[in-house]
Amino acid sequence: DSGVTQTPKHLITATGQRVTLRCSPRSGDLSVYWYQQSLDQGLQFLIQYYNGEERAKGNILERFSAQQFPDLHSELNLSSLELGDSALYFCASSGSGDRQETQYFGPGTRLLVL
Amino acid sequence: DQQVKQNSPSLSVQEGRISILNCDYTNSMFDYFLWYKKYPAEGPTFLISISSIKDKNEDGRFTVFLNKSAKHLSLHIVPSQPGDSAVYFCAASGLSGSARQLTFGSGTQLTVLP
Repeated sequence: DSGVTQTPKHLITATGQRVTLRCSPRSGDLSVYWYQQSLDQGLQFLIQYYNGEERAKGNILERFSAQQFPDLHSELNLSSLELGDSALYFCASSGSGDRQETQYFGPGTRLLVL
Repeated sequence: DQQVKQNSPSLSVQEGRISILNCDYTNSMFDYFLWYKKYPAEGPTFLISISSIKDKNEDGRFTVFLNKSAKHLSLHIVPSQPGDSAVYFCAASGLSGSARQLTFGSGTQLTVLP
């Protein structure tokens, strides 16, 4: 158990809909990262938040957005969903300073868009 | 442009023998390298890491070797056990502005045969 929690575990929705994925980082970790893993693909970095502020952006679509709240949990919002958005979405967290190199991952949310 | 490459999508090894997983990178700014193990339907689990100032790091049955001049790292598992069967991801860490980001390889499926 990494200490990172994600909900829901599974999500099935239709094209055009909007969903919200939730992540709680490990206790004490200030950074939260979101990744997408499509079928047979590696992990693609989407976005990072540090202590409530956006720190870095990767290959995140404009239809996707995220935020980190004062209690450090984070939400990833996916809107106008398309079939190709079906994937595993992982959240990871890391500490600060010397502890920021290692990211610890949650169990993921499997999204299926029909 | 794949900055981190795992050229072997799969590897089969007999139980008790050594497993060697390889990873190549192109960006010389990476200064920290990690290996993650992933079982189906679970998030990646951190295994072992190495700083770019070292050439070897050992943790139990797992050893990571780094050859900076060749931009190559490898993970050795000795002895291999059936429970080691999983997908192994190599990741490289570097600073992008003020943010530290991980770039993942595409993974190698290790199968340890009993």
